[in-house]
Amino acid sequence: NAGVTQTPKFQVLKTGQSMTLQCAQDMNHNSMYWYRQDPGMGLRLIYYSASEGTTDKGEVPNGYNVSRLNKREFSLRLESAAPSQTSVYFCASRGGIHQETQYFGPGTRLLVL
Amino acid sequence: AQKITQTQPGMFVQEKEAVTLDCTYDTSDPSYGLFWYKQPSSGEMIFLIYQGSYDQQNATEGRYSLNFQKARKSANLVISASQLGDSAMYFCAMRGHNQAGTALIFGKGTTLSVSS
Repeated sequence: NAGVTQTPKFQVLKTGQSMTLQCAQDMNHNSMYWYRQDPGMGLRLIYYSASEGTTDKGEVPNGYNVSRLNKREFSLRLESAAPSQTSVYFCASRGGIHQETQYFGPGTRLLVL
Repeated sequence: AQKITQTQPGMFVQEKEAVTLDCTYDTSDPSYGLFWYKQPSSGEMIFLIYQGSYDQQNATEGRYSLNFQKARKSANLVISASQLGDSAMYFCAMRGHNQAGTALIFGKGTTLSVSS
């Protein structure tokens, strides 16, 4: 039981390049989330997916797109990376005893030059 | 609007002492959840404890307890008998009913340093 996994762990991009961050969970959770964490701040929601086939914008969606490929996988795409997107990206899924807890992946550190 | 406030940028404690990390929240929803996460220097986010707004008793998980004072809108984390491995950033978060439904709203965090 791996929980939430993310790839890659670290990536360097040039401005204007594109990439996809991958996330998968094996806990059979319906809801999945993408957050970003900037220095000195808590996490902010980019996009979320309440269930397979649905996605919605969060607090900071500009410059990103997402795909809920199936129940397990939720990917985040940067079409044209900008330096302002330099951040640590966390994927999470929600479930657990209280059906409230969000469990996080290890994060992807992204540097856009 | 929902908001989480953590006013202590850094806290210092010695091993085996107890420490309280402060968290206040603001919401107009009658139903909400409160969470604490630990982020060690390795970067992962580790779930510690959850408190529901309708729970009658304060939540406890091992050495962690949540001091929930609803009228004051506070949800402080108490760590008993601190250990060196408790040194980390701690985030308070709330599950609100914002546009993203069940997404978490985070505070800015408190850095805890435990010394021997």
